[in-house]
Amino acid sequence: AQSVTQPDIHITVSEGASLELRCNYSYGATPYLFWYVQSPGQGLQLLLKYFSGDTLVQGIKGFEAEFKRSQSSFNLRKPSVHWSDAAEYFCAVGAPNDYKLSFGAGTTVTVRA
Amino acid sequence: GAVVSQHPSWVICKSGTSVKIECRSLDFQATTMFWYRQFPKQSLMLMATSNEGSKATYEQGVEKDKFLINHASLTLSTLTVTSAHPEDSSFYICSAREPGQGNSPLHFGNGTRLTVT
Repeated sequence: AQSVTQPDIHITVSEGASLELRCNYSYGATPYLFWYVQSPGQGLQLLLKYFSGDTLVQGIKGFEAEFKRSQSSFNLRKPSVHWSDAAEYFCAVGAPNDYKLSFGAGTTVTVRA
Repeated sequence: GAVVSQHPSWVICKSGTSVKIECRSLDFQATTMFWYRQFPKQSLMLMATSNEGSKATYEQGVEKDKFLINHASLTLSTLTVTSAHPEDSSFYICSAREPGQGNSPLHFGNGTRLTVT
């Protein structure tokens, strides 16, 4: 069975500072990995995804993530956060071509001025 | 880009009544849609997989007689919460994937906030 762990429940970062959100997954083979962002009371928006190939993935809004098989990780990064990046971030894992995703518990990001 | 629309955005109902939530894929046909439930400050839990033209597949622990799913067309799946109780109050989100798009990701609706009084 697949699972996802997001170790950080809440992160506070200053505007303009860098951000890194951790994600560790458990899956027997190479999984499909996703990062989604959710604003309060809204659905989820896909930031980026990894299926295969280059392990450094670029997404929308200046986000990137790196797949590290040896560490079973898929951490999300942004060099300089904006106040609008305050939201809930979810890492998700799925089996190839299955799309029954398992989500992590989420990390709440607060951006201070 | 592909859009998934949910309706209503929020609904308040009395205990014992039933509530229907619609999930539509606006510019693509979705043979499969997924229904998730999210409690406050928690992650999304997959409830069921909705399959066009056939019965939904429910995850373990989800009452299929309580949460009726109908996927009558390639663009519409509905979730009906029957005989709702306050513990059914939650945020329900649907998602869909464009078929035939290789590794296309899931597109999510904006969710429905259900409050049962």
